[in-house]
Amino acid sequence: DTGVSQNPRHKITKRGQNVTFRCDPISEHNRLYWYRQTLGQGPEFLTYFQNEAQLEKSRLLSDRFSAERPKGSFSTLEIQRTEQGDSAMYLCASSSDRFSYEQYFGPGTRLTVT
Amino acid sequence: GIQVEQSPPDLILQEGANSTLRCNFSDSVNNLQWFHQNPWGQLINLFYIPSGTKQNGRLSATTVATERYSLLYISSSQTTDSGVYFCRYGNQFYFGTGTSLTVIP
Repeated sequence: DTGVSQNPRHKITKRGQNVTFRCDPISEHNRLYWYRQTLGQGPEFLTYFQNEAQLEKSRLLSDRFSAERPKGSFSTLEIQRTEQGDSAMYLCASSSDRFSYEQYFGPGTRLTVT
Repeated sequence: GIQVEQSPPDLILQEGANSTLRCNFSDSVNNLQWFHQNPWGQLINLFYIPSGTKQNGRLSATTVATERYSLLYISSSQTTDSGVYFCRYGNQFYFGTGTSLTVIP
């Protein structure tokens, strides 16, 4: 297995447009997490899935954000009506149930909203 | 709210030097981890250490849960150690503000 992958790696979009990011976790991991990281800050937790169930959502996840993991494998994070404040690195991580603290991170998707 | 403070915020070392990074918590420690984010943005697990001491090569970590802090030791630093070191804890995965380390040859 090659680890957690994320696509695209970079996305530039105009304010008001919708964007969607994809995360493919490590194949045997059934937990998947999304984080957001802005420049000079640590990552901020957004949401996580156990298999296809979305179990927790941060207050940071506004109504314009939606995440899915339809078959318990890959996940998508969609941002509707993007704003300049959405510009950030979006990180995905995965873990097993047994070792949920041992999260493996993907390379991230850097979003720039102009 | 829960606060995670890291110190120092920035550190510059000569290659071969040793350093200690600190992480303070405002709440009881659980699920404490240390991560390294390399200059390309990749986050790597270093230690899961809710209490006690662990060592892995040139790196070691100690968490004193009763006093709400954790330390990361880097010995004989190398240029590849450069990047940002984060501690993280809690079931909601609160990250600290990070220590930016630059190791110069």
